Amino acid sequence: EVQLVESGGGVVRPGGSLRLSCVASGFTFDDYGMSWVRQAPGKGLEWVSGINWNGGSTNYADSVKGRFIISRNNAKNSLYLQMNSLRAEDTALYHCVRKVNTIVGGTIDHFDYWGQGTQVTVSS
Amino acid sequence: EIVLTQSPATLSLSPGERATLSCRASQSVSSYLAWYQQKPGQAPRLLIYDASNRATGIPARFSGSGSGTDFTLTISSLEPEDFAVYYCQQRSNWPSFGQGTMLEIK
Repeated sequence: EVQLVESGGGVVRPGGSLRLSCVASGFTFDDYGMSWVRQAPGKGLEWVSGINWNGGSTNYADSVKGRFIISRNNAKNSLYLQMNSLRAEDTALYHCVRKVNTIVGGTIDHFDYWGQGTQVTVSS
Repeated sequence: EIVLTQSPATLSLSPGERATLSCRASQSVSSYLAWYQQKPGQAPRLLIYDASNRATGIPARFSGSGSGTDFTLTISSLEPEDFAVYYCQQRSNWPSFGQGTMLEIK
């Protein structure tokens, strides 16, 4: 059974930092690209960042570029999100998600497994 | 940035009826569109990817169609467990999501 379990969320002051972690199980982690998607309270979904299977390619939403860093450790089946210079608008539930792996096209930016999320609250 | 607009915002139907949900993109996304279902307190679940491919374990009553800028998710005969919020998502550019359609029991 595929499982994605996030941790590391919490309450932080504006300008502060947090590091989110996601531990994956039930599949061969380094066969898949991964991403982070967030959902503000009562709001819709926003893609935050993505990473390919070996960490050699990363991308970011404009809203977090220059402040967040995505990384992974395949030996530990883990995905990370280093969040710096946090703002009130970063307050959200952060989901670790697995990219769909197609036979022909490799991994694509649709997301077939989601963790339950870790809550990040930025408030003074 | 590609903006996805979903309609209607809320759809009220009864079990057994057919549901048709729409998603329009601000520019062509080819067939690179997915649909997700989200129930309260749960993470989203992938239903359809690349416009018309059902994800693993998704019942046949869910189908997707469209290309370019106009897409449709159809639920052929609503079951009680289908009442939820539905999101579309494109991957033509950096991924983005629509604002959601709430499917509620009439």
